[in-house]
Amino acid sequence: DAGVIQSPRHEVTEMGQEVTLRCKPISGHNSLFWYRQTMMRGLELLIYFNNNVPIDDSGMPEDRFSAKMPNASFSTLKIQPSEPRDSAVYFCASSGQGGHEQYFGPGTRLTVT
Amino acid sequence: DAKTTQPPSMDCAEGRAANLPCNHSTISGNEYVYWYRQIHSQGPQYIIHGLKNNETNEMASLIITEDRKSSTLILPHATLRDTAVYYCIVRVALNSNSGYALNFGKGTSLLVTP
Repeated sequence: DAGVIQSPRHEVTEMGQEVTLRCKPISGHNSLFWYRQTMMRGLELLIYFNNNVPIDDSGMPEDRFSAKMPNASFSTLKIQPSEPRDSAVYFCASSGQGGHEQYFGPGTRLTVT
Repeated sequence: DAKTTQPPSMDCAEGRAANLPCNHSTISGNEYVYWYRQIHSQGPQYIIHGLKNNETNEMASLIITEDRKSSTLILPHATLRDTAVYYCIVRVALNSNSGYALNFGKGTSLLVTP
């Protein structure tokens, strides 16, 4: 298995633009997580899905952020409009049913200028 | 979830055992201890987890005190590639149908030196 796949790996955009981050979880996994990492705040959970349904989105910073999981093999995290303070590394992770391990992707480094 | 306390940084000589402590004095009976690590510029990586008993796998050993208020992650023969931030997380394992969310703290930055 290729592991969790994220795209793009790097994204540079201007303030006000829409940004879409993509994630393909490991095949067969039924839970998917989006995290954000910054120097100031460390790793923060933004949202997690179970069986394609959002279970907890309390970590989503504000309405500019939205996440979808239209099927078991794909999820997106969208920021519209983007702001410089959204600059961070965004990680996607997945886990299997009953599994204790979360498998993380390589992350997307987002820079908003 | 129970709060954890870890030293911010530690050093270890290559080839020696690295012992990383974690205090979780408010842990509940149904909460597991998880360890993850994050090598620079990579996503976090699962290492090991335990509930009450000591655990060992190909990466590390986890020693949990009898009262479960603290634990130690042991890397038996540290290498330079083990330089990373190590996170101790305490979390109840939700039922198999709802997965679980991890709350990462600041972790311990382990530096393995030649």
